[in-house]
Amino acid sequence: QITLKESGPTLVKPTQTLTLTCTFSGFSLSSSGEAIGWIRQPPGKALEWLALIYWNDDKRFSPSLQRRLTITKDTSDNQVVLTMTNMDPVDTATYYCAHSNMSPGTFDIWGQGTMVTVSS
Amino acid sequence: DIQMTQSPSSLSASVGDRVTITCRASQSINTYLNWYQQKPGKAPKLLIYAAFILQSGVPSRFSGSGSGTDFTLTISSLQPEDFATYYCQQNYSFMYSFGQGTNLEIK
Repeated sequence: QITLKESGPTLVKPTQTLTLTCTFSGFSLSSSGEAIGWIRQPPGKALEWLALIYWNDDKRFSPSLQRRLTITKDTSDNQVVLTMTNMDPVDTATYYCAHSNMSPGTFDIWGQGTMVTVSS
Repeated sequence: DIQMTQSPSSLSASVGDRVTITCRASQSINTYLNWYQQKPGKAPKLLIYAAFILQSGVPSRFSGSGSGTDFTLTISSLQPEDFATYYCQQNYSFMYSFGQGTNLEIK
């Protein structure tokens, strides 16, 4: 059974860097075809894809946010870390990590999400 | 960037109704189209991938169709648990963009 869980701060100040961790189980991110993505959702708004990291360490980013995002994986600890620099109140959202392996960018299992508020 | 546009944005229907939600891509995406269901306070759930393949465990009243730029999600007979927000998403290009969502409400 695949599970994912996001963790990180609930409140960050403007201009700070956000670091979120996705801890997963039930699969290995070193196995061919596996990937984990990050998606966010501002309150009352639509989903927005942010980043994806593959089993071979290939990475993809939303072009509009690419310069602010970093994604890394730790296969031994079963974790993926997303960092987003220069946080702004418009980045207030629930951040989800999700599993992808059937087709790149198809997210079949999601974490519960973690709400991040950006405010001074 | 590939833009995904859903219609309608909101929809009121009754239990037992047949409902169709449409999704249009700004360019051809073949059948690289997924549908998700999201209930308030919960993470999205994958319903259909590759335009028409039902994810394991999803009831057969859900179906998807389309290719190229125009796609539909159909619920053949609405059940109380189907009232939720539905999103389409393309995975043709790595932008993996989502539609704006369709809020399905009880009439």
